Amino acid sequence: QVQLQESGPGLVKPSQTLSLTCTVSGGSISSGSYYWSWIRQPAGKGLEWIGRIYTSGSTNYNPSLKSRVTISVDTSKNQFSLKLSSVTAADTAVYYCARLNSLFGYYFDYWGQGTLVTVSS
Amino acid sequence: DIQMTQSPSSLSASVGDRVTITCQASQDISNYLNWYQQKPGKAPKLLIYDASNLETGVPSRFSGSGSGTDFTFTISSLQPEDIATYYCQQYDNLPPGFTFGPGTKVDIK
Repeated sequence: QVQLQESGPGLVKPSQTLSLTCTVSGGSISSGSYYWSWIRQPAGKGLEWIGRIYTSGSTNYNPSLKSRVTISVDTSKNQFSLKLSSVTAADTAVYYCARLNSLFGYYFDYWGQGTLVTVSS
Repeated sequence: DIQMTQSPSSLSASVGDRVTITCQASQDISNYLNWYQQKPGKAPKLLIYDASNLETGVPSRFSGSGSGTDFTFTISSLQPEDIATYYCQQYDNLPPGFTFGPGTKVDIK
C-alpha cells in the first residue's frame, strides 16, 4: 500500500520561501505511469493544483503559481519536494502531496494526510 | 483555461435517499473527469475516475456518468458515513493542468 507523508515547517514568514518534502513509502517513486503532485487547500476553501513532476525531472506547474514554484524529486530517497517563493498570507493552506496515476486517465489516487502551512510574521 | 462548475453547492438529504451532483466543464474534456470525497480534516479520497470507473474498494452505491461537458455523480442510497464534501476534477492537456470544481457539501437531513 502506497503511503505519502508531508513534512516541513508549519510557519513561514512573509516574503520567504515555503519548503515541503513528501516521502513515499510502500512503492518506488520511480515506478512508471505515475507523476507526483502538490495540491493545496486554504481553510474552508476548495482544492488548487500546484504542480507535478515525473521521475525524469520533467515538471508542469499551475500557471497562476508558475513564477514562484519549483518541484524537484530525489529518487534515491523516494521523495519529492515543493518550494514556493515570496509567500504571502494568501499562501496559507493545507498542502497535500499526491500520486497522479496516468495509467488510464489522470487522477490522484493516493494522498498524504496534509500539512498546514501558515504564513505569518 | 477550463472552468468547472458544480451544483448544488450544498444539499441535505435523508438516509437512503438518492443524491445527485452535477459538474459542468466550460469546454469538452472527453471523459477526463474524476470525483473525490473529502471528510473534515482529511485528505480527499478518489471515488470515480475517468467519469464512470469506480475506484477499487469504493462502495457500489457511488457512481458517475457523462462525457464532454456534462457529468453526474450519484449516491444511490445515502449513508451516514457519506457526509462529506464532494469535488469533481478535470484534466487539461494543453497545457497540462488539473482543475477542481468548487465542491458540494452533503449533509444528513
